[in-house]
Amino acid sequence: QQPVQSPQAVILREGEDAVINCSSSKALYSVHWYRQKHGEAPVFLMILLKGGEQKGHDKISASFNEKKQQSSLYLTASQLSYSGTYFCGTEKNSGAGSYQLTFGKGTKLSVIP
Amino acid sequence: NAGVTQTPKFRVLKTGQSMTLLCAQDMNHEYMYWYRQDPGMGLRLIHYSVGEGTTAKGEVPDGYNVSRLKKQNFLLGLESAAPSQTSVYFCASLGTYTGELFFGEGSRLTVL
Repeated sequence: QQPVQSPQAVILREGEDAVINCSSSKALYSVHWYRQKHGEAPVFLMILLKGGEQKGHDKISASFNEKKQQSSLYLTASQLSYSGTYFCGTEKNSGAGSYQLTFGKGTKLSVIP
Repeated sequence: NAGVTQTPKFRVLKTGQSMTLLCAQDMNHEYMYWYRQDPGMGLRLIHYSVGEGTTAKGEVPDGYNVSRLKKQNFLLGLESAAPSQTSVYFCASLGTYTGELFFGEGSRLTVL
């Protein structure tokens, strides 16, 4: 079952912040975040393992709440290069990593000058 | 270092025809995946492989077959193409230590 992402789309002006949420109905082992620009392949941003960790990647960070089966991606001081569709991918908690990623439908982020 | 390479990049088929998409990776990864991407649907897993000689079904396996005869190659076959299989297909391999999926550039398939 696909994780649910929200919002479906968001428009930002340069410098503004955004939060993208990802939730699952199943216990999770890990959450992955990818960004895809139009006509290109998805590109890896980060992975968060169960344990409630938070990771950062320049001005993009993420958190993972294992108990709530939710993850959030935080984009601060957005840049034009942040535009694209963001996907979360979830991996079920079936003991050791199952390595079977299920992706959400994506959040389209547009950053305008 | 080529990474993940998909061939062909574009293909047009008629309903009922068959074809094979080839995915090759040069990173010695064990796990490989085939996804399809349709507008508004995200990436949906078709089949995956956890090593040479193994395959497993994903979320949407019907109408597709796969083979992993060599570790570096993962083939996706359509035996009798249907218009519902019009999509962009992505192959990916899983980084051994990072958990990162490395995607190919995609193959755009149109079934008329």
